[in-house]
Amino acid sequence: DQQVKQNSPSLSVQEGRISILNCDYTNSMFDYFLWYKKYPAEGPTFLISISSIKDKNEDGRFTVFLNKSAKHLSLHIVPSQPGDSAVYFCAAIPNSGYALNFGKGTSLLVTP
Amino acid sequence: DGGITQSPKYLFRKEGQNVTLSCEQNLNHDAMYWYRQDPGQGLRLIYYSQIVNDFQKGDIAEGYSVSREKKESFPLTVTSAQKNPTAFYLCASSTTGGFQPQHFGDGTRLSIL
Repeated sequence: DQQVKQNSPSLSVQEGRISILNCDYTNSMFDYFLWYKKYPAEGPTFLISISSIKDKNEDGRFTVFLNKSAKHLSLHIVPSQPGDSAVYFCAAIPNSGYALNFGKGTSLLVTP
Repeated sequence: DGGITQSPKYLFRKEGQNVTLSCEQNLNHDAMYWYRQDPGQGLRLIYYSQIVNDFQKGDIAEGYSVSREKKESFPLTVTSAQKNPTAFYLCASSTTGGFQPQHFGDGTRLSIL
């Protein structure tokens, strides 16, 4: 049963514009949410995380928003750059857990 | 330069063979994890270890085995009992005690000949 869902398999954005990647979850016990970026044939790279007690966390061009009532989070990348082209995975974990629950990923393409 | 090293990057296995995937970290992390990724899928947890000489099964442990004899090393053996071993295998590590993100190696792609 997929507890973390990324319903958009792909997204294409022009360079300089905002990229918005979405993620939904079903388990209300999740306490932390993470975004990872992955290039082909490489491991995921941690980007940014947010605690369930917050609704926003920002790190440079990356901002994650959390809407607990809707069980929804999003990653905003502003401005988007061609080097941002990769697969982005949303993941979640409860405070007492060890395993990250991953979505299936969204492939972002930033075009010049 | 700290990090997680997985070897080999590509591995081929004949039917009926066991193969072992290596994972070494020099981040001084207590916890280590093995995930499997299939095409178009998210990562699924195979095994994890919070401390040396102790490990627990994840969601898809059948057909796999691990050991944790050293803090730095967490090898994964894919046994002949694993009926569909072709996948991308990722090792991760993290500190323990409160939330800390898991950091990943670059993976091993296992294929069946």
